[in-house]
Amino acid sequence: NAGVTQTPKFRVLKTGQSMTLLCAQDMNHEYMYWYRQDPGMGLRLIHYSVGEGTTAKGEVPDGYNVSRLKKQNFLLGLESAAPSQTSVYFCASSYRRAGYTFGSGTRLTVV
Amino acid sequence: GQQVMQIPQYQHVQEGEDFTTYCNSSTTLSNIQWYKQRPGGHPVFLIQLVKSGEVKKQKRLTFQFGEAKKNSSLHITATQTTDVGTYFCAGKKDSFWETSGSRLTFGEGTQLTVNP
Repeated sequence: NAGVTQTPKFRVLKTGQSMTLLCAQDMNHEYMYWYRQDPGMGLRLIHYSVGEGTTAKGEVPDGYNVSRLKKQNFLLGLESAAPSQTSVYFCASSYRRAGYTFGSGTRLTVV
Repeated sequence: GQQVMQIPQYQHVQEGEDFTTYCNSSTTLSNIQWYKQRPGGHPVFLIQLVKSGEVKKQKRLTFQFGEAKKNSSLHITATQTTDVGTYFCAGKKDSFWETSGSRLTFGEGTQLTVNP
């Protein structure tokens, strides 16, 4: 039972490049989330999804897009990467009122 | 918007000492959750509190939810080196309308270091 799997684990991008982060969960969770974690700022919600085909904006959605075409997958896209998007990105999933299960994270550096 | 604040930001203790971190919300919460993140790792769910005044224990860890459901605390008795990490509280805003899914607002965390 893998839980929540994030790929890739590390990535270096040049400013202006695009990329997609993939999150996959095998727990049949309805809800999925993308957070970014920066030093001294805790975890900030980027986008989330309450079910297949639905997405919504979180606290810091600018510069990111998401898609949830399948229940088990939640994709986070950066169309034109900026140095301010250098961060650790965590995906998480949950049942409606339960605790989150987090993936192991993606360390992204934008140069 | 909803804010969740945690204090202290850092705490360094000698092994065997007790440790407490506090969490305060600007709005009433429907529930509060606690997570632990080891250095270089990802957050791991510890517990959820739902009822006003609720107290839960996990071995040496004691979690409390305030009567007004706006604050919470985590207390660790006799810390061990395995307790090292950052402890986050995360609150869900109390709302009749379940339009925001189960989204949580995380505090900034308390980083605990333990000197053996």
